[in-house]
Amino acid sequence: DAGVIQSPRHEVTEMGQEVTLRCKPISGHNSLFWYRQTMMRGLELLIYFNNNVPIDDSGMPEDRFSAKMPNASFSTLKIQPSEPRDSAVYFCASSLGASQPQHFGDGTRLSIL
Amino acid sequence: EDQVTQSPEALRLQEGESSSLNCSYTVSGLRGLFWYRQDPGKGPEFLFTLYSAGEEKEKERLKATLTKKESFLHITAPKPEDSATYLCAAPEGGAQKLVFGQGTRLTINP
Repeated sequence: DAGVIQSPRHEVTEMGQEVTLRCKPISGHNSLFWYRQTMMRGLELLIYFNNNVPIDDSGMPEDRFSAKMPNASFSTLKIQPSEPRDSAVYFCASSLGASQPQHFGDGTRLSIL
Repeated sequence: EDQVTQSPEALRLQEGESSSLNCSYTVSGLRGLFWYRQDPGKGPEFLFTLYSAGEEKEKERLKATLTKKESFLHITAPKPEDSATYLCAAPEGGAQKLVFGQGTRLTINP
């Protein structure tokens, strides 16, 4: 069974450019999560969706970040405009619901020059 | 504020040398304590969920236990392939939002 699929695996772009990260959750999972991982702050939740509806976006750092989930099998995280401090590994995870384990993709390593 | 704290930050063992990793939490209304393993360049891989004090779960050389304040990940006779970062996490405020510890970087030398 396919796990969570993220694309691209690596992204290098210049400051000010728009960045779009993509995620396909595990089929049948109704919760989707976006995380950011850095050495300094560890793994932090940015936003999560239940049944395609955003539930908690309090972890989104600022208005430059936005996330959408147009259907049950696809989500995007967009940064516009990007800044060097956005450089990190971004993970997507999905789960069957509350109190169920979250299953992670292999992440997108983002470098903003 | 809900917090999850792991210790030690790093642990280096010889192959076959058993030890334990600690995860302490201050989360109200705990609805599960999760353990993950993360290899370099990969996403966290789910290992265990523990829901109540006294519960134990095992997988190969790993055993996770839970008390009211902390969880332990015991590793028995580890092998080099057990080298990874081990993360624990708990739902904040009893919701779906996971709070992760900083992880324990485990190295097993052959």
